Amino acid sequence: DAGVTQSPTHLIKTRGQQVTLRCSPKSGHDTVSWYQQALGQGPQFIFQYYEEEERQRGNFPDRFSGHQFPNYSSELNVNALLLGDSALYLCASSIPPNEQFFGPGTRLTVL
Amino acid sequence: SQQGEEDPQALSIQEGENATMNCSYKTSINNLQWYRQNSGRGLVHLILIRSNEREKHSGRLRVTLDTSKKSSSLLITASRAADTASYFCATDAGANAGKSTFGDGTTLTVKP
Repeated sequence: DAGVTQSPTHLIKTRGQQVTLRCSPKSGHDTVSWYQQALGQGPQFIFQYYEEEERQRGNFPDRFSGHQFPNYSSELNVNALLLGDSALYLCASSIPPNEQFFGPGTRLTVL
Repeated sequence: SQQGEEDPQALSIQEGENATMNCSYKTSINNLQWYRQNSGRGLVHLILIRSNEREKHSGRLRVTLDTSKKSSSLLITASRAADTASYFCATDAGANAGKSTFGDGTTLTVKP
C-alpha cells in the first residue's frame, strides 16, 4: 500500500508566476490537508478538503487555492508567487479524527 | 498562531541516553500528536494521544499528557544515532478535526 505521494519533489519558480502541487492520499483516506513549512519552523495549516469541498482554512490569502478530485487526490495552487512563498509544502491524508499521514513534501523555491 | 510550543529548542545527547522533549499548548484539545522529521523531509507520525488518555507507549517512545497543565512530554529511551531528527508536537482542537497546529519543534542530536 503506497503512502501519501506528492509531486513534484522540487520546483523553482520566479516571482509572479503560478504553481500547482499535487498529492495522492493514502489508500482509503478521504480527507486531504495541506501545510506550508518555512525553514526552521513547524508546518502551518493551509486548508483541508473533504468530499471535494474546502472544509477548513488557515490564515492564508486567497492566492492559495485548492481542489480535490473524486478519487480523493488533491492539488494546491498558488498564484502571484512571492519570495516568502518559498517553503516545503506538505500534504497529509487522514480519516478524522485519526492520525494524519504526511507525504514527503514539495520544496518550492521562488526567485 | 502557535498552539504547541516545544522545549527545549535543541537537545544533544550521547547514544544510549534518554531524551525528553516537552510540549505546551494554550487551548483545550481533542488529541495531541508527536511527529519526527528528518532533514526537512516529510513528517513521520509517532504517537497520537487523546485528551482522555494520560500515557501511551510505542516501542522506545513514551508520551504523557497532562490536560490540567496543558502539556505533554515525549521520552525516547536508549537513544540511537538514527533518532537524530526534529520532533514536533501538534494539537487538534475543538471542531477542527484534522486541522493540526504545530510548534516549531525540538532538534535532537544523538552522538554515536
